[in-house]
Amino acid sequence: DVKVTQSSRYLVKRTGEKVFLECVQDMDHENMFWYRQDPGLGLRLIYFSYDVKMKEKGDIPEGYSVSREKKERFSLILESASTNQTSMYLCASSLPSIQETQYFGPGTRLLVL
Amino acid sequence: AQSVTQLGSHVSVSEGALVLLRCNYSSSVPPYLFWYVQYPNQGLQLLLKYTTGATLVKGINGFEAEFKKSETSFHLTKPSAHMSDAAEYFCAVKGWGGSYIPTFGRGTSLIVHP
Repeated sequence: DVKVTQSSRYLVKRTGEKVFLECVQDMDHENMFWYRQDPGLGLRLIYFSYDVKMKEKGDIPEGYSVSREKKERFSLILESASTNQTSMYLCASSLPSIQETQYFGPGTRLLVL
Repeated sequence: AQSVTQLGSHVSVSEGALVLLRCNYSSSVPPYLFWYVQYPNQGLQLLLKYTTGATLVKGINGFEAEFKKSETSFHLTKPSAHMSDAAEYFCAVKGWGGSYIPTFGRGTSLIVHP
């Protein structure tokens, strides 16, 4: 059974803290994605990666960075957390094909105080 | 920019009633179409997808969707709603400009009343 795991289900951080969200997939997928999900806005792409050490900005990359040192792991970094980054963060992975399905992790609900 | 529109942020049905969730996309070029479901406090999972071939696609849990090229639509239906169908449903489209990055609709929350 395919699996995408995220390091935390719930996280509470203070404004200005550096925050790391980790995602691991066990399917040997080339593509990995980070989204944020907010009510009424659906899923918005933050960053994606199509190979180790490769990354591309999505629609809302400001205030975020990513790291992909190994194929199975994709990290999202909030350099200096702000209250407007309070959200649900979803990681996904897929094979590099238009027809392929994305597989999602359970999400991390981040609260920035 | 290409877009995916899901009509109605919330749809409310009675248990046993027909479920119809609407999805329209902005291009006439046949794309690849997906429906995902998100149960409370979980990530998204694939419900069904259309890539090529038969335009009526069957998915899990009794759901199906029909690709209508002339209407640029991919509506999701289920003949009889169950309480367990209460969830958020997302339509997604891939393939515009050859991109494998999906464009998601904003989602429709399905509410099922007893």
